[in-house]
Amino acid sequence: DGGITQSPKYLFRKEGQNVTLSCEQNLNHDAMYWYRQDPGQGLRLIYYSQIVNDFQKGDIAEGYSVSREKKESFPLTVTSAQKNPTAFYLCASSIGWGGRQTQYFGPGTRLLVL
Amino acid sequence: SQQGEEDPQALSIQEGENATMNCSYKTSINNLQWYRQNSGRGLVHLILIRSNEREKHSGRLRVTLDTSKKSSSLLITASRAADTASYFCATGEETSGSRLTFGEGTQLTVNP
Repeated sequence: DGGITQSPKYLFRKEGQNVTLSCEQNLNHDAMYWYRQDPGQGLRLIYYSQIVNDFQKGDIAEGYSVSREKKESFPLTVTSAQKNPTAFYLCASSIGWGGRQTQYFGPGTRLLVL
Repeated sequence: SQQGEEDPQALSIQEGENATMNCSYKTSINNLQWYRQNSGRGLVHLILIRSNEREKHSGRLRVTLDTSKKSSSLLITASRAADTASYFCATGEETSGSRLTFGEGTQLTVNP
């Protein structure tokens, strides 16, 4: 059963706490992406990775960090520096990098601040 | 940066009617894609149309692309309550290596 999984479905963060969102894919895709979606809004790119061991900042990278140590995994850490983290976070992957690719999305993680 | 802009922002129709959503963009593109998002879920790819194509069909979906007007439309025929979702266009720019950029979406409600 191929696809992208994200966990957890809901995540609660306390003030000053770092939290990590998981994203795993078994599609053998090289490129992976993290997006943030606020209510009623479109997708904003946080970070992307074109290939394992490489990643680049997107439009709203401040307060976030990522790693890409394995092809299948692209975890996102929301740090305490992100002052307004409440949002829906979507992970996606594509066979290769770039605008000519179709992206496949995970089910999302909703992050809430306590 | 925002490339695609959908119109209208929200659309409410009755079951059985057709739904038309539009997307305008600013730069030269290689392709334009449409995605669907059910409430609280991830996006699902619906259809991709390349810059040298003018129309494409997939089941009840019909997509048109007018590169001279930098616009695309998504038509859903004979809509069903299950079509209720947000629909996003995404553009891949002509420059190789550029990224896919998503619009703000159209919220479609199909009333039974």
